[in-house]
Amino acid sequence: SQKIEQNSEALNIQEGKTATLTCNYTNYSPAYLQWYRQDPGRGPVFLLLIRENEKEKRKERLKVTFDTTLKQSLFHITASQPADSATYLCALVLNQGGKLIFGQGTELSVKP
Amino acid sequence: DGGITQSPKYLFRKEGQNVTLSCEQNLNHDAMYWYRQDPGQGLRLIYYSQIVNDFQKGDIAEGYSVSREKKESFPLTVTSAQKNPTAFYLCASTPGQLREKLFFGSGTQLSVL
Repeated sequence: SQKIEQNSEALNIQEGKTATLTCNYTNYSPAYLQWYRQDPGRGPVFLLLIRENEKEKRKERLKVTFDTTLKQSLFHITASQPADSATYLCALVLNQGGKLIFGQGTELSVKP
Repeated sequence: DGGITQSPKYLFRKEGQNVTLSCEQNLNHDAMYWYRQDPGQGLRLIYYSQIVNDFQKGDIAEGYSVSREKKESFPLTVTSAQKNPTAFYLCASTPGQLREKLFFGSGTQLSVL
C-alpha cells in the first residue's frame, strides 16, 4: 500500500540543539518533496522544496535531505529556538499527475 | 499585502444545513484548492480548480460542492450530505498547475451543533 509517514509523537528538544524530523514514504514515485510549517489554528507555510535528483537543500538554519533509495527525507533545524515550536508537514508531489500527498505532521517543541 | 483570505474563522452547522466557506485570493493565481485537516491525519484534497469556470473532484469530494466564477474566489459549500463535517478547512492557491509551493489561507474551523 502507499503511505507517507511522519513521527506521530511530538519531538521535545532543548534550545540550541538540532531538531531532526523524519518523513518516510512507501510505493510512491515522487518528483519532489516539500516541507511546511503550521502553527496552531493557522494554515501551513511553505519552507523548502527538494527535487528527486537533489540530495540536500539548505535555507538559513534549515536543511533538508532526500534519499529516494531509502524513501526518506530528513528535515533539520540547527540552533533551534522556542520560536521554532510548531507542527512540520512533509508533502510529496508525485511524478504521475502531479498529485500532492501530505504527511500527518510532527509537532516540535523547543524548550528554553 | 497579497494573500489568501478565508472566512469565517469559526463556523457552526446545524444538522441538515448547508454552509459556505469563503476563500478569496489577490495573488493572481490560476489554481485554487480546498483541503480538509483532521487531527492526526494529513491534509486531504476536496476539490481543486486550475482555471475559472472549471474544477475537479479531489480525494474526498462527496458531500461538498464548489464554484469558480471569478479567478480570485473559490467558495466551498459543505452540504447536509456530508455526515462528518467537523474539521479544519484550508484553502490554498498556486500560480499555475505545478504544485511546487502552495500558499494557504488561515483556515476555517467547522463544527456541528
